Amino acid sequence: RKEVEQDPGPFNVPEGATVAFNCTYSNSASQSFFWYRQDCRKEPKLLMSVYSSGNEDGRFTAQLNRASQYISLLIRDSKLSDSATYLCVVKMDTGRRALTFGSGTRLQVQP
Amino acid sequence: DTEVTQTPKHLVMGMTNKKSLKCEQHMGHRAMYWYKQKAKKPPELMFVYSYEKLSINESVPSRFSPECPNSSLLNLHLHALQPEDSALYLCASSQEGLANEQFFGPGTRLTVL
Repeated sequence: RKEVEQDPGPFNVPEGATVAFNCTYSNSASQSFFWYRQDCRKEPKLLMSVYSSGNEDGRFTAQLNRASQYISLLIRDSKLSDSATYLCVVKMDTGRRALTFGSGTRLQVQP
Repeated sequence: DTEVTQTPKHLVMGMTNKKSLKCEQHMGHRAMYWYKQKAKKPPELMFVYSYEKLSINESVPSRFSPECPNSSLLNLHLHALQPEDSALYLCASSQEGLANEQFFGPGTRLTVL
């Protein structure tokens, strides 16, 4: 089983749609969680950290369920510019400063 | 200024060449990272520096040699690479601490002939 798993997609949605991505992680000791977005041939950019109580940033809402070991990202009112690959990222344990990346979910928003 | 810069943007080298990739950040971050990313794959961690000391080496072949001259700079020295080493090489930095949000540079796209 992979440490961080995501549905690779692609998710093809019309503009204005609401879309949700899920991500599961295997290590229950994982401490920090993030969503990054990566455009084609560009670097990953931090979209948002994910907090235990859930958090929202404009059209984006992130949720964490520690009991079930999954993280979600909800995008409301999708824009063409949201088309990208969304990477679920987990910091696995206290001894390592590195992040573990999921394989990414590709989103294509269509006009 | 939340920027990490990398040079060069593109690099083409032969298998016998020696080259270096450079990364710089001025955010006061004390952890810096090298990642390798192949097409349609997530970034793979190569090295982590913490307070200018190498803290993680993910079993990277010795033809890749990292160096951290000071807290703002990170280099990756390349020697005798193979064509399969062609990839996007990403540098990242973060503050110390649990939150550990990493900020990435634009990467160097390396092609080994």
